[in-house]
Amino acid sequence: GAGVSQSPSNKVTEKGKDVELRCDPISGHTALYWYRQSLGQGLEFLIYFQGNSAPDKSGLPSDRFSAERTGGSVSTLTIQRTQQEDSAVYLCASSLALAGAYEQYFGPGTRLTVT
Amino acid sequence: GENVEQHPSTLSVQEGDSAVIKCTYSDSASNYFPWYKQELGKRPQLIIDIRSNVGEKKDQRIAVTLNKTAKHFSLHITETQPEDSAVYFCAASMGSSASKIIFGSGTRLSIRP
Repeated sequence: GAGVSQSPSNKVTEKGKDVELRCDPISGHTALYWYRQSLGQGLEFLIYFQGNSAPDKSGLPSDRFSAERTGGSVSTLTIQRTQQEDSAVYLCASSLALAGAYEQYFGPGTRLTVT
Repeated sequence: GENVEQHPSTLSVQEGDSAVIKCTYSDSASNYFPWYKQELGKRPQLIIDIRSNVGEKKDQRIAVTLNKTAKHFSLHITETQPEDSAVYFCAASMGSSASKIIFGSGTRLSIRP
């Protein structure tokens, strides 16, 4: 079946512009995660959606970052007034998040470059 | 706080030898501990996971051990092969829901021929 997809695969933007990154999770997965991975670095937790619960936004680095998940499926991560330090690969993952089924399936990522 | 620490950051072993990567976590409620492998330019993929009601789990050359009292867990790779070269991430669930996953900083494993 189809895996997690993300778009665009690459995004180059000028400092100060807004960007939107999209994630399509695996159908039926109730949990959706956004992580940020800077070059050669680890996976930095950003935000987590679980079913109809309020999202856990504790990892968002500033109020320029926001995310929403419409209809319990597609998610959009928005970065306003981008800065050069926002340059990274943004990874989305989804999981069933049921007892015994917590494996996260990652998308290919969006490589964001802020010039 | 919610934190997972991972050591070492880089590891080089001779082909055929064993590799061990160690992680500690902060949340005593954590009950799910996955390990992911990320090859260069690719997305992370699950290689093994363990729940808190189990102390050890094996899958061929890979094993994970968990010490809940000490809040640490380890990945063991035996008879290493060149294709084991990659970055490995440990992770732990945070809170009682078991589905918020926080990752360690990663270990770059290199296998010397």
